[in-house]
Amino acid sequence: QSALTQPASVSGSPGQSITISCTGTSSDVGGYNYVSWYQQHPGKAPKLMIYEVSNRPSGVPDRFSGSKSGNTASLTISGLQAEDEADYYCSSYTSSSTPYVFGTGTKVTVL
Amino acid sequence: EVQLVESGGGLVQPGGSLRLSCAASGFTFSSYEMNWVRQAPGKGLEWVSYISSSGSTIYYADSVKGRFTISRDNAKNSLYLQMNSLRAEDTAVYYCARVHMGDAFDIWGQGTMVTVSS
Repeated sequence: QSALTQPASVSGSPGQSITISCTGTSSDVGGYNYVSWYQQHPGKAPKLMIYEVSNRPSGVPDRFSGSKSGNTASLTISGLQAEDEADYYCSSYTSSSTPYVFGTGTKVTVL
Repeated sequence: EVQLVESGGGLVQPGGSLRLSCAASGFTFSSYEMNWVRQAPGKGLEWVSYISSSGSTIYYADSVKGRFTISRDNAKNSLYLQMNSLRAEDTAVYYCARVHMGDAFDIWGQGTMVTVSS
């Protein structure tokens, strides 16, 4: 099972919006609405930000939103803030021999 | 407070073994599927292994199949990962993570570092 494809880096100024893509196949992202997104600050454990494509867990700011079209899922951060600078990973359930796959990861820089 | 705490990491020689533990608290451990996820230094997240709530269903990543064994003790609220025949490429921070909210990993431990080196 190959990792889902994400851009290596995305940047934006405070207050701007950025979008991170996550491209898979019809066996993972495109086949199920079980795409999730994680934020990871340096030296910390990942934190769930979005589940089931577009749902936010309690406590996650509504600046974070998720969507999916075909085999590509997206995470949008609106009103970018300094504390949003972190690594972001997508994940999907898969129909392969292994149930989960992560994306390659995207480093978000706030300029 | 819902919490996962890993332990058991350390330095081990290539070919050696190590057993990781993950202690759960603040929720009904026996009701949740669990996973191990690892992250090599400076690299991305890699899913390692899954175990169902009862322990009856188990999956492994191809990179660890035949060398790692996941298990759980619901009476002790604990998850384990027995790692044998360790290789340099197994060097990573190992996280245990709970599955919830539509196959998402909603709770993560702080991680335990495993270093395989001579």
